[in-house]
Amino acid sequence: EAQVTQNPRYLITVTGKKLTVTCSQNMNHEYMSWYRQDPGLGLRQIYYSMNVEVTDKGDVPEGYKVSRKEKRNFPLILESPSPNQTSLYFCASRDRGNQPQHFGDGTRLSIL
Amino acid sequence: DQQVKQNSPSLSVQEGRISILNCDYTNSMFDYFLWYKKYPAEGPTFLISISSIKDKNEDGRFTVFLNKSAKHLSLHIVPSQPGDSAVYFCAAYSGAGSYQLTFGKGTKLSVIP
Repeated sequence: EAQVTQNPRYLITVTGKKLTVTCSQNMNHEYMSWYRQDPGLGLRQIYYSMNVEVTDKGDVPEGYKVSRKEKRNFPLILESPSPNQTSLYFCASRDRGNQPQHFGDGTRLSIL
Repeated sequence: DQQVKQNSPSLSVQEGRISILNCDYTNSMFDYFLWYKKYPAEGPTFLISISSIKDKNEDGRFTVFLNKSAKHLSLHIVPSQPGDSAVYFCAAYSGAGSYQLTFGKGTKLSVIP
């Protein structure tokens, strides 16, 4: 089954404690992205990756890092999380061209 | 500034009637548009898309219309069913190979039985 898998689905943590949200896709897609969804703001892109070792900033990259060492994985790293990063996060992947993105089921992060 | 706008945060429709969700955009470089549906506790799922070279695309009960001169698109759902109750996002790409998909804020559709 084609899917994008994110872990964890839920996490409550404290300010400053480094965390990583993993994302894996099994469709051999080149493009992967991270989004955050906040009430009244819709989906905003954090980072995206065009291929292995190729990443770039989206609209709201501050406070986040990513890496793409393998085609299937695209982890999102919060080195020093802050309360304003409390949000619902989605990973997505897609094939080349104007193809639809396939989304994971989301990770709800609460940073106290 | 918001390049993709969904000005109606919510919409209620009777089962069996037509649902019309609207989306406006400001970036004239957008040339491919998509609609996504999102249920609570799930990720968005692709619904239907349209290229800027077309003005209409149909898929079963779902039809998307594009008016390029007005920079406006709409999603029609006929007939609406209770299972269509979800948040609908309009999104746009600018150019072939574009890496960024720009989303609107979403419209919550409630279909009343």
